[in-house]
Amino acid sequence: SQQGEEDPQALSIQEGENATMNCSYKTSINNLQWYRQNSGRGLVHLILIRSNEREKHSGRLRVTLDTSKKSSSLLITASRAADTASYFCATVPFMGGGADGLTFGKGTHLIIQP
Amino acid sequence: DTAVSQTPKYLVTQMGNDKSIKCEQNLGHDTMYWYKQDSKKFLKIMFSYNNKELIINETVPNRFSPKSPDKAHLNLHINSLELGDSAVYFCASSPTKRGPQFFGPGTRLTVL
Repeated sequence: SQQGEEDPQALSIQEGENATMNCSYKTSINNLQWYRQNSGRGLVHLILIRSNEREKHSGRLRVTLDTSKKSSSLLITASRAADTASYFCATVPFMGGGADGLTFGKGTHLIIQP
Repeated sequence: DTAVSQTPKYLVTQMGNDKSIKCEQNLGHDTMYWYKQDSKKFLKIMFSYNNKELIINETVPNRFSPKSPDKAHLNLHINSLELGDSAVYFCASSPTKRGPQFFGPGTRLTVL
């Protein structure tokens, strides 16, 4: 079943601006991951945040996690044209052996205008 | 030096046919997966395979069957293809059950 919802579904900003995407999920999680998908390509892992973490950084990426609200946000600072892609959040459930795969949200399509 | 590879990249076939998609990973990962991405770009887990243990998403029709000849390969076999099977299928692998996953480039399946 679908786990997450990304918000917004599409986002268009000017190069250099910051882009923020949100993700909500429904069940208890072990961790939450963000992936990028360029058009016609496979997904690329960006960052993983565990359920006991609240914030994580990687380069121009900043991810927050609020387990009480079952939500996460991805911030891309100083956006570049190359950041144009679809971004997905995905969750790993708290229960079970974890080999059940990721449960993805619907994704946010980000367009960076030059 | 491709990490996760899939063949073919495109597959066009008639309804009712049987087809296979191959997946290979050279990362030495223990767990492999198959995902389906529909026309609205929604991704859904189909199977995970770890140390000969297969976990099947209950919504996947039994016309779909993964086969793992060895730890580096997880091929997807589809019998009696239907129009609704048209989608992009992604293979992925992971070094740990809950860790980041590495995706292949995808196979676009079109059933006519």
